[in-house]
Amino acid sequence: SQQGEEDPQALSIQEGENATMNCSYKTSINNLQWYRQNSGRGLVHLILIRSNEREKHSGRLRVTLDTSKKSSSLLITASRAADTASYFCATDDRAAGNKLTFGGGTRVLVKP
Amino acid sequence: EPEVTQTPSHQVTQMGQEVILRCVPISNHLYFYWYRQILGQKVEFLVSFYNNEISEKSEIFDDQFSVERPDGSNFTLKIRSTKLEDSAMYFCASERLVGAESEQFFGPGTRLTVL
Repeated sequence: SQQGEEDPQALSIQEGENATMNCSYKTSINNLQWYRQNSGRGLVHLILIRSNEREKHSGRLRVTLDTSKKSSSLLITASRAADTASYFCATDDRAAGNKLTFGGGTRVLVKP
Repeated sequence: EPEVTQTPSHQVTQMGQEVILRCVPISNHLYFYWYRQILGQKVEFLVSFYNNEISEKSEIFDDQFSVERPDGSNFTLKIRSTKLEDSAMYFCASERLVGAESEQFFGPGTRLTVL
């Protein structure tokens, strides 16, 4: 898979359920960031986790990072219809400059 | 809260025409980026800019593309002669510093449609 690949590609859940999505990457990173995108709109920064961190929380979001497996997960707890969006992970590989490399995203549909 | 702004939100142009996409990064940020997202595809890096020069560019960023910071606030992406395949959402991003805690903040994007 390519740098920053998410799975699943799509996820459909009921309001109140948790949504979990995963991201895998290939290179060494300084940090990994998760972004949200509503259909056809801009990218909203959700959370950044540094390479020396294993877990981070922000509100209903929980992110884990396993650098030995080169993978990260994003958990959204108690989902709401407003969480319906695409979620992307992006890795910041300093060896390749400051650019972010994005995955293909997970489309999350939260049904009311 | 400071944010990155982009204009226009939507640009329609004829193939072969020049377009300029404009961005106003967050005021105390030093690093600037352009990315694009073709409909249904990944967000792709185009170019990064620091200290008034390009620091890195991707294979996509060929001679048809250029960037400029003409004054203290604007950051522009010019496509000299647009092609159909340039149709995409173009995102500007800015970053205050670089480091393990540094976040890139994205603008709302400009949707470019080339006819």
